[in-house]
Amino acid sequence: AQTVTQSQPEMSVQEAETVTLSCTYDTSESDYYLFWYKQPPSRQMILVIRQEAYKQQNATENRFSVNFQKAAKSFSLKISDSQLGDAAMYFCACLDDKIIFGKGTRLHILP
Amino acid sequence: EPEVTQTPSHQVTQMGQEVILRCVPISNHLYFYWYRQILGQKVEFLVSFYNNEISEKSEIFDDQFSVERPDGSNFTLKIRSTKLEDSAMYFCASSEALSYNEKLFFGSGTQLSVL
Repeated sequence: AQTVTQSQPEMSVQEAETVTLSCTYDTSESDYYLFWYKQPPSRQMILVIRQEAYKQQNATENRFSVNFQKAAKSFSLKISDSQLGDAAMYFCACLDDKIIFGKGTRLHILP
Repeated sequence: EPEVTQTPSHQVTQMGQEVILRCVPISNHLYFYWYRQILGQKVEFLVSFYNNEISEKSEIFDDQFSVERPDGSNFTLKIRSTKLEDSAMYFCASSEALSYNEKLFFGSGTQLSVL
């Protein structure tokens, strides 16, 4: 069965510092996509970054980057130069025939 | 950028009443989904819809739930007789393709409160 695990319910980081959010997943498919979604207090779901499983190169979007370890089924999100606006719930997700989300990590940014 | 729109943003209903949550997916998208998130819990898959029929549904999606694409633009989720535990944020999503899609677009959600 497809599963996504986020082992850190909450994390805090000092403003301007770097933080890494962990995610592991399991899928029986060989082709799949991985995503990180941000959910601010408004509870909207905003796509932060995505990774195609067939690509070895780690995806990067400005201050956001991933460390994709396919053999280990690990997909962590690194946020560099953290900003107050980064405070939110972050969901890791895996898409093969449907998208499944982890339980989320609440990120606090300390001024 | 194109977006998925959901209405209303907040719906309050009495237990036992029927509610219809509405979504307008992105116009050239072919796959549609409903997810829900109970406050403080993870986002849960409810159902996927393609070619005017359900392609997959979770165990949450029981006989109280139904989906419909009544015209070329709307995609609705109906809850026939709401229960207190149906209170949640309901997200609609759409995609251009299925497994090899690049992006799943979410609406901003409808907060359903069952009293």
